[in-house]
Amino acid sequence: AQSVTQLDSHVSVSEGTPVLLRCNYSSSYSPSLFWYVQHPNKGLQLLLKYTSAATLVKGINGFEAEFKKSETSFHLTKPSAHMSDAAEYFCVVRLSSGGYNKLIFGAGTRLAVHP
Amino acid sequence: GAGVSQSPSNKVTEKGKDVELRCDPISGHTALYWYRQSLGQGLEFLIYFQGNSAPDKSGLPSDRFSAERTGGSVSTLTIQRTQQEDSAVYLCASSPSTGTAYGYTFGSGTRLTVV
Repeated sequence: AQSVTQLDSHVSVSEGTPVLLRCNYSSSYSPSLFWYVQHPNKGLQLLLKYTSAATLVKGINGFEAEFKKSETSFHLTKPSAHMSDAAEYFCVVRLSSGGYNKLIFGAGTRLAVHP
Repeated sequence: GAGVSQSPSNKVTEKGKDVELRCDPISGHTALYWYRQSLGQGLEFLIYFQGNSAPDKSGLPSDRFSAERTGGSVSTLTIQRTQQEDSAVYLCASSPSTGTAYGYTFGSGTRLTVV
């Protein structure tokens, strides 16, 4: 079965320092993977997606993620955190087989950014 | 429309009453999804529509939950005889197709509170 595991429920960084949000996936075949962000009282916004093209995926707001098949990981990074990055981040795998087509969400990582 | 529109944005209802939640997807998007986000939990898949048919209803929690989609556009999620455990944010998303290259666009959700 396909699933994702977000290794940290909370991450706290200082403004200007790097961000690393970790995600491992489980899939029997090459998955489609996504990162979504949810700001307080806002809807979910797609940050980036991996669909078996380049393994290093660049997204919006300076975020990027690298697909590593050998490690079954899809960690999200940003070189320098900004206060506006404080939000909840979800790693997501797409389950698509026959009549099934749905996104499976990780439990989420809440990112706090301190001055 | 420009985005996925959900109404109402907030709904407070008494236990035992029926509620209807509406989702208006992006024009032309054939795939539509309902998810539920409960406090402190991740997103839970409810149901998926391709056009007007629902190939996957596996996430509906009980027979009190039903959904329909008409004209390949608007979808309504109905909860009968609401219970307090139904309190959550109900999110709708749409996608141009079911192909793996497409991400989903989420609406801002309907916050349902059952008192």
